[in-house]
Amino acid sequence: DAGVTQSPTHLIKTRGQQVTLRCSPKSGHDTVSWYQQALGQGPQFIFQYYEEEERQRGNFPDRFSGHQFPNYSSELNVNALLLGDSALYLCASRGLAGGPTDTQYFGPGTRLTVL
Amino acid sequence: AQSVTQLDSQVPVFEEAPVELRCNYSSSVSVYLFWYVQYPNQGLQLLLKYLSGSTLVESINGFEAEFNKSQTSFHLRKPSVHISDTAEYFCAVTPVNGATNKLIFGTGTLLAVQP
Repeated sequence: DAGVTQSPTHLIKTRGQQVTLRCSPKSGHDTVSWYQQALGQGPQFIFQYYEEEERQRGNFPDRFSGHQFPNYSSELNVNALLLGDSALYLCASRGLAGGPTDTQYFGPGTRLTVL
Repeated sequence: AQSVTQLDSQVPVFEEAPVELRCNYSSSVSVYLFWYVQYPNQGLQLLLKYLSGSTLVESINGFEAEFNKSQTSFHLRKPSVHISDTAEYFCAVTPVNGATNKLIFGTGTLLAVQP
């Protein structure tokens, strides 16, 4: 049973460019959350998707947007990249009807470097 | 709003010695508490969680944490560490009645086990 997968593993972009990161949730999971982990910091919640809709959003600008597909996979898009967007981007999934007690499973992350 | 404080950014310890990683939280509502571990170049893995009941929770690899409501703490302990325990440890909370299970993380503690 495959866990949460993310692609690509690493990515290098320049300021002002746009980037798309991808996540496939663990089998049987329908809810996907995205987190940003800057160097030396804990992960920060970006947003969560369920039933192809954004359900909750953290304190991130509109340059950060997402999408969830019918197969529950998800994309994170970041426009007009800034140097400060350099971070490890983590995707987490949980199962149907899960709530606050349900375990979230994290992927290995995508390391984004903005030059 | 919730916040999590991990005062120790790094904890060096010798193999087979005991260790305690400290976690304090602030919240105006009841929360669930978690400890996640991140090995080098990997995503986050759930180590243990407190939802309700006994305030002492244990993991399968010898770690334990105790929820102290009066001190708003959830310290992680292990009586005897191994080299393989070297990793970053993150404490996290989520509101009990939250609409999603958005996790609020601390800044992490690097446990460095030396031979």
